[in-house]
Amino acid sequence: DIQMTQSPSSLSASVGDRVTITCRASQSISSYLNWYQQKPGKAPKLLIYAASSLQSGVPSRFSGSGSGTDFTLTISSLQPEDFATYYCQQSYSTHITFGQGTRLEIK
Amino acid sequence: QVQLVQSGAEVKKPGASVKVSCKASGYTFTSYYMHWVRQAPGQGLEWMGIINPSGGSTSYAQKFQGRVTMTRDTSTSTVYMELSSLRSEDTAVYYCAALYGSLADWGQGTLVTVSS
Repeated sequence: DIQMTQSPSSLSASVGDRVTITCRASQSISSYLNWYQQKPGKAPKLLIYAASSLQSGVPSRFSGSGSGTDFTLTISSLQPEDFATYYCQQSYSTHITFGQGTRLEIK
Repeated sequence: QVQLVQSGAEVKKPGASVKVSCKASGYTFTSYYMHWVRQAPGQGLEWMGIINPSGGSTSYAQKFQGRVTMTRDTSTSTVYMELSSLRSEDTAVYYCAALYGSLADWGQGTLVTVSS
């Protein structure tokens, strides 16, 4: 199966900061990469699909980039509601896999 | 709109089996494959397998091969995930999810607790 590695595992930041999370795939996955946000007790919410397409209803401060094996999720100006855990997920293979998650905490 | 409604929380003893249901509505049931994903307390998301609601074909993560069975009932637009030989490490929230491009709809999750 394709392994997805996220970094960092956790991150402390302040409201208004610009934050970047990276995700690396163990093999090329073209642009078959999605980003999710998850808050405690809730199901994951899709933010970005196909590496860089913003899901409907998601604020434009979220953006994604990358292709092949290296991807990034950027939040341009952190808002209080953005403190959550973020996961990348590859959909190149039928056997989808997730990164281990990045916990974004308030500094 | 797409809605996936899962069955309620379960408490099982080690060695038992659990069967979780996921009832779909708001779209043509056979249009989208359904994934099952679990999340142990404080841990990340772990993919378990996928079922094609149209033909019933399945594919499972190697970790769960031999212990998991996914089925569907097209008459009720429901998919099922059964996990056998439960152990304490199987304590988790189990999600069904219809994932395809910009479609990403998840059930509310079903907590399965394995405890003697």
